[in-house]
Amino acid sequence: DAKTTQPNSMESNEEEPVHLPCNHSTISGTDYIHWYRQLPSQGPEYVIHGLTSNVNNRMASLAIAEDRKSSTLILHRATLRDAAVYYCILTINNDMRFGAGTRLTVKP
Amino acid sequence: GAGVSQSPRYKVAKRGQDVALRCDPISGHVSLFWYQQALGQGPEFLTYFQNEAQLDKSGLPSDRFFAERPEGSVSTLKIQRTQQEDSAVYLCASSFDPSQETQYFGPGTRLLVL
Repeated sequence: DAKTTQPNSMESNEEEPVHLPCNHSTISGTDYIHWYRQLPSQGPEYVIHGLTSNVNNRMASLAIAEDRKSSTLILHRATLRDAAVYYCILTINNDMRFGAGTRLTVKP
Repeated sequence: GAGVSQSPRYKVAKRGQDVALRCDPISGHVSLFWYQQALGQGPEFLTYFQNEAQLDKSGLPSDRFFAERPEGSVSTLKIQRTQQEDSAVYLCASSFDPSQETQYFGPGTRLLVL
């Protein structure tokens, strides 16, 4: 199974952009890159996903390296509500295997 | 519409008791998943249903764990003869169809086995 590597934790200041990195050097051609986040005492929440091209939605942007071996989740203006654990997951046919994720702390 | 709901939200069981955890997926969602999340870790896959068919149960940790979805909607995860190591949050997720990669998660059931 393709695996991902993320930093254990990151800090950001409120109202500033945040770049959350993810390495996935063993990604296969059919793996999608999914990002979920989990707020305290809640289930994971879908953030964004992509295959090859960069993606934008109302929550975030996903930048995918040309060789697809890494990706970056971009929160354009972090708020206190964005404090959560962010998971980068490679998926194919609904098969999602979570890692430990990155715990994002947002400072006011 | 309503999201994925789970009940109970919290369950305390004595070691050796049987427990049943319920998941109500989003109406019309074909796929349903169960995950186990230990404290400080990411969710770990337990089992997957497509309608009423259990297509993958490779993540179930032992034969004390049993899941069913008899009518292709509500699902129940049953743990027999609970052990302390079963203490965790049990998450349910659903997706519209097998090709739809996005999963929608419920709030989870926090199980504490004493």
